[in-house]
Amino acid sequence: GAVVSQHPSRVICKSGTSVKIECRSLDFQATTMFWYRQFPKQSLMLMATSNEGSKATYEQGVEKDKFLINHASLTLSTLTVTSAHPEDSSFYICSASSAGQVDTQYFGPGTRLTVL
Amino acid sequence: DAKTTQPPSMDCAEGRAANLPCNHSTISGNEYVYWYRQIHSQGPQYIIHGLKNNETNEMASLIITEDRKSSTLILPHATLRDTAVYYCIVNPPMGGGSNYKLTFGKGTLLTVNP
Repeated sequence: GAVVSQHPSRVICKSGTSVKIECRSLDFQATTMFWYRQFPKQSLMLMATSNEGSKATYEQGVEKDKFLINHASLTLSTLTVTSAHPEDSSFYICSASSAGQVDTQYFGPGTRLTVL
Repeated sequence: DAKTTQPPSMDCAEGRAANLPCNHSTISGNEYVYWYRQIHSQGPQYIIHGLKNNETNEMASLIITEDRKSSTLILPHATLRDTAVYYCIVNPPMGGGSNYKLTFGKGTLLTVNP
């Protein structure tokens, strides 16, 4: 149980385009979802927290107009990187927690974004 | 900022126990100790968590000192697939409407050798 998927696993796009990454909880209802970013040889950095049906809470320094997060259902959250630039190239990872097990986050496999 | 200190790397022989230490001397009374690991190019995986009692599950054991200022994650019989970065994180329990955040430090790169 407690499986989180992400799609796509890898994406390459041109500078200036937008990219959407999906995060799904497959066997539980995710009341809260989190988006992280990880640059090479660095640790995970939390970007934002989203609760189903409400606006995401962004961490300091993360542009909410550039990284659009939607958590419209209890099993799906999306992260859209708008007008991507090469410096946005990174490993994006989502996680989810449920109301029944709020103290544990289950992570997706990650999405490798490369902006040319 | 991470509230934990871990050695940057450790080695372990396959089949032996891997003991990963973590210092969290400023831990508060209501904060739990969580362990996650991240295999290269994958998302982190939850391992175990505890408050003050020792905990054991199918993956590992967690030993927390009586003063709660440090803990040890034990993988009883390490395999090559246990090679990963192991993160020790302290966090208050979620509740009361507060956002629950995991702050990842640099972790310990455990290399299991054949």
